[in-house]
Amino acid sequence: RKEVEQDPGPFNVPEGATVAFNCTYSNSASQSFFWYRQDCRKEPKLLMSVYSSGNEDGRFTAQLNRASQYISLLIRDSKLSDSATYLCVVPDSGGYNKLIFGAGTRLAVHP
Amino acid sequence: NAGVTQTPKFQVLKTGQSMTLQCAQDMNHNSMYWYRQDPGMGLRLIYYSASEGTTDKGEVPNGYNVSRLNKREFSLRLESAAPSQTSVYFCASSEVTFSPLHFGNGTRLTVT
Repeated sequence: RKEVEQDPGPFNVPEGATVAFNCTYSNSASQSFFWYRQDCRKEPKLLMSVYSSGNEDGRFTAQLNRASQYISLLIRDSKLSDSATYLCVVPDSGGYNKLIFGAGTRLAVHP
Repeated sequence: NAGVTQTPKFQVLKTGQSMTLQCAQDMNHNSMYWYRQDPGMGLRLIYYSASEGTTDKGEVPNGYNVSRLNKREFSLRLESAAPSQTSVYFCASSEVTFSPLHFGNGTRLTVT
């Protein structure tokens, strides 16, 4: 299994829809996870940190399933401005002090 | 608050030329990183520095060298550029390893 895997999408959804992305990881010892958002030709920006079972911030909810080794990102009431690529980030399993990025899931919200 | 500053924003090199990408952060972070991003590949770690005075290889270190000049600055050097190094390069910093990363705006490098 790859360190971290994401469905590349694209997910095309109408405004107001609820959409969910999953991210699977291989390091069962991982304690901290992150979701980043990246707009086209811009740098990644932190969206949410996930340290325990989950985290909620407004329309965004991140959940962690340790047994199945995946994290999910749920976006409710999608806005046009949510269109971006969402990157899942997990700690490296090789014992090195670094984070591994997934290739990202692209979301396109249309009117 | 500038955060993470990278220079230059754009660069075109010929094969075999050398250059250094500069990165500085003003958040008093201990850890700094260099990533490259290619279409369909996601972000791949080139080198990182867990703390001042240490540097370690990441996933794709070949063809690159780094210097952690001080706590603020972490530079990436291409000694002899190759077309395969055409990419977008991001510098990032974090308070400690495994804490959230803060990225610079990126450097778009083209090697012809």
